[in-house]
Formats: sequence, structure tokens, C-alpha cells
Amino acid sequence: AQSVTQPDIHITVSEGASLELRCNYSYGATPYLFWYVQSPGQGLQLLLKYFSGDTLVQGIKGFEAEFKRSQSSFNLRKPSVHWSDAAEYFCAVGAATGRRALTFGSGTRLQVQP
Amino acid sequence: NAGVTQTPKFRILKIGQSMTLQCTQDMNHNYMYWYRQDPGMGLKLIYYSVGAGITDKGEVPNGYNVSRSTTEDFPLRLELAAPSQTSVYFCASSSGDPPYEQYFGPGTRLTVT
Repeated sequence: AQSVTQPDIHITVSEGASLELRCNYSYGATPYLFWYVQSPGQGLQLLLKYFSGDTLVQGIKGFEAEFKRSQSSFNLRKPSVHWSDAAEYFCAVGAATGRRALTFGSGTRLQVQP
Repeated sequence: NAGVTQTPKFRILKIGQSMTLQCTQDMNHNYMYWYRQDPGMGLKLIYYSVGAGITDKGEVPNGYNVSRSTTEDFPLRLELAAPSQTSVYFCASSSGDPPYEQYFGPGTRLTVT
């Protein structure tokens, strides 16, 4: 069965600092990987996705993520964080067969200090 | 540009009451999903559908029912509400084609007291 681990429950960074959110997955085949962001009281918005090709993927709002098969990781990065990036971030893995549902990590809450 | 819509946004139920959460998508997606999100947890799959007339259970289906009579609509029914069903409910849809990304509605916050 597939699973996702986000080791950091809560991260605080200063505005303008760089950011890296960790995500480790377990999946038997080539994974489909996603990062979603959830602002308070809102639904989930897709930041970026990986399914094949270049292992460094670019997303919206200046985010990027790197797929590392050897480490089963898909970490999210941003070079300079803005106050508006404060939100909860979810990593998810998808399956190419069956119900094609996503398995989510438990999320990382990002706080941005001025 | 509606995408996935959900109603209501908020609801308070008494124990034992029933209600239906509505979900509609306008992207002609075959796959639709219901998730629940509890504090400090990720999303858990309740039910899903791969097309009109076809539904199946996810990880946490107990206490819920679904139907899918059209491609657009995928309502979630709560029978005999219990405090354990206090949660935020998200509906999502997907084309079912790679890369299998899902589009989410804004959620329904349900409190059972």
C-alpha cells in the first residue's frame, strides 16, 4: 500500500528566507507525486506535480520540488518565502491503477515571521 | 469557471440527524472522491466513483453513503450523525488520465453535537 510521510508538523521561517518542506513516500511502482497548499478555511490548491521526465518540477507561486527516487523523496522548496505563503502544505502520492485516489501526508503547517 | 462546488459551507447537526452534502463538477470528469479532514491529519478517502452509476468504498466509509446518477453530481449522505463525524469534508474530481491530479472543492465544515 502507498503511504506518505511529512516529518515536520510545523515550520517557522522568516520572510525572505529559503524554505524546504520534506516529503517521503512509499509506493511500489513509479509514483505520481503532488504538492497541495491549503490556506486557512480554504480548499486544496495544486502547487505542482510529478509524473515523469525532469525530476525538478516547477509549480505556481515560485515553488519547485525535486523527485529523488533513490531517497523516495519529493521535497518542496522556495528560495524566498513571502508572508502570503503561510498555509498548510500537503504532499500526496497517486496510483495509476484502480480508484486512482490520492494518499496524503498529514501536512506541514508553515508560519512566516516578518 | 466553477470547477468543483460544494454546499453547504457550514452545518451543525444534532446527534442522530441526517443530511446530504452536495458536490458538483463542471469539468466532465469521470472520477469523483469524498475525503474527510480531521485536525492535524491528512485527508482520508470516504467513497469514490469512477463514473455515473459506479461507486465504491474508500478507507473510512462507515456512517456514509453515496450515489452517482450523473457525471456532474456526487452527493454524500450522512445517516444518524455521530460526534465522530465532526470534520471538514472535501469533494474532488479527476479526469482519470495521467498525471491523475485532483481538483478540490472549497469544503464543508460539519459539526455534530
